[in-house]
Amino acid sequence: AQKITQTQPGMFVQEKEAVTLDCTYDTSDQSYGLFWYKQPSSGEMIFLIYQGSYDEQNATEGRYSLNFQKARKSANLVISASQLGDSAMYFCAMREGNAGNNRKLIWGLGTSLAVNP
Amino acid sequence: GAVVSQHPSWVICKSGTSVKIECRSLDFQATTMFWYRQFPKQSLMLMATSNEGSKATYEQGVEKDKFLINHASLTLSTLTVTSAHPEDSSFYICSAPEGALAGASDTQYFGPGTRLTVL
Repeated sequence: AQKITQTQPGMFVQEKEAVTLDCTYDTSDQSYGLFWYKQPSSGEMIFLIYQGSYDEQNATEGRYSLNFQKARKSANLVISASQLGDSAMYFCAMREGNAGNNRKLIWGLGTSLAVNP
Repeated sequence: GAVVSQHPSWVICKSGTSVKIECRSLDFQATTMFWYRQFPKQSLMLMATSNEGSKATYEQGVEKDKFLINHASLTLSTLTVTSAHPEDSSFYICSAPEGALAGASDTQYFGPGTRLTVL
């Protein structure tokens, strides 16, 4: 079974509006980390935001916030005030276990976001 | 954030030749690095975990004799695609975790990737 599920292959948003990209995960570990990365057409993978399983507050980084709902095993990315430069692929990823012990990431299939002017 | 470089950014080679791709952590030390392969419009596929001073750990289905990995120092890992064939054409990208301090995110930072085309 997929451990990271991104159900939206493609999303459209109007410039300056907010958009939510969905991510659900499956793990039996109590300790884990959740990541979001952005991949523009150039191919580079850009780290956006991190949420640890024990973090009580939702992570925020500028216009990015992570809506972490532990009981529902969801970690949705919210981008506020979308900009044209936000058009890219977005990947959700999970590290099971503690940092340093198992450092591999499990990846979702990604969501392609297009920001319309 | 931490910076990872990758060289070359693109390479075109003839079938049967070998290609070496370098991945460097520029401002931190990385005992572990990861090598991924990505096909167009698909997610990342982990190929192997590169460990400084020891053998790499390959994922199931990845030919270790074809994709040679050497992690010679705490800042450099290399991936050599030996006897490349057209089916090896792909986007190869490396990453390095920033560190394993207690409570740290151990975020993986990525190189810019290498586009390999085998003719």
